[in-house]
Amino acid sequence: AQTVTQSQPEMSVQEAETVTLSCTYDTSESDYYLFWYKQPPSRQMILVIRQEAYKQQNATENRFSVNFQKAAKSFSLKISDSQLGDAAMYFCAYRPETSGSRLTFGEGTQLTVNP
Amino acid sequence: EPEVTQTPSHQVTQMGQEVILRCVPISNHLYFYWYRQILGQKVEFLVSFYNNEISEKSEIFDDQFSVERPDGSNFTLKIRSTKLEDSAMYFCASSGAPWRITSTDTQYFGPGTRLTVL
Repeated sequence: AQTVTQSQPEMSVQEAETVTLSCTYDTSESDYYLFWYKQPPSRQMILVIRQEAYKQQNATENRFSVNFQKAAKSFSLKISDSQLGDAAMYFCAYRPETSGSRLTFGEGTQLTVNP
Repeated sequence: EPEVTQTPSHQVTQMGQEVILRCVPISNHLYFYWYRQILGQKVEFLVSFYNNEISEKSEIFDDQFSVERPDGSNFTLKIRSTKLEDSAMYFCASSGAPWRITSTDTQYFGPGTRLTVL
């Protein structure tokens, strides 16, 4: 069974600084997708970024980028120029390649942004 | 931009009562899901639905739960006899546009329904 682990229950960053959130996963599959979702206090799940395992290039979305290390099964999220609105719970998630498959989530990292 | 909607936003019920949580997935999406999140815990998969039938379910999704797509737009989760431990946030998600584009495999979540069982 696939597992996703986020070893940092809490992280904090100063506004305008950069922070990296860690995620590791375990799978025997060769093709899969990885995601970072953001959950603000409203508790809505918002997609931040996705990575296809077959792509060597790391995904980027504006201030958000990932460091995908397939051999190490590591998928970290880097937030540059942190803003107060980035404060939220961040979940790493894994999904097999097959369409319609379930997402498996990590435990989450609570990010605090200090002014 | 299309989005998943859920109603109600908050449901309070007595233990043993039946509840129905409603979702309207993104139009033209083919796959529908329910997840739940107990307060302070991670998001857990309940069930996925495709082509008018359950395609996968977790061990949490026991006989107390059922899903239905009663018409072309709604997707519902029914809990027949609620327990205290069913108190959680329930998220609906959808994915899979019928055309093959990269967003096909991304699950988009609704805002959630907070279920409180007393």
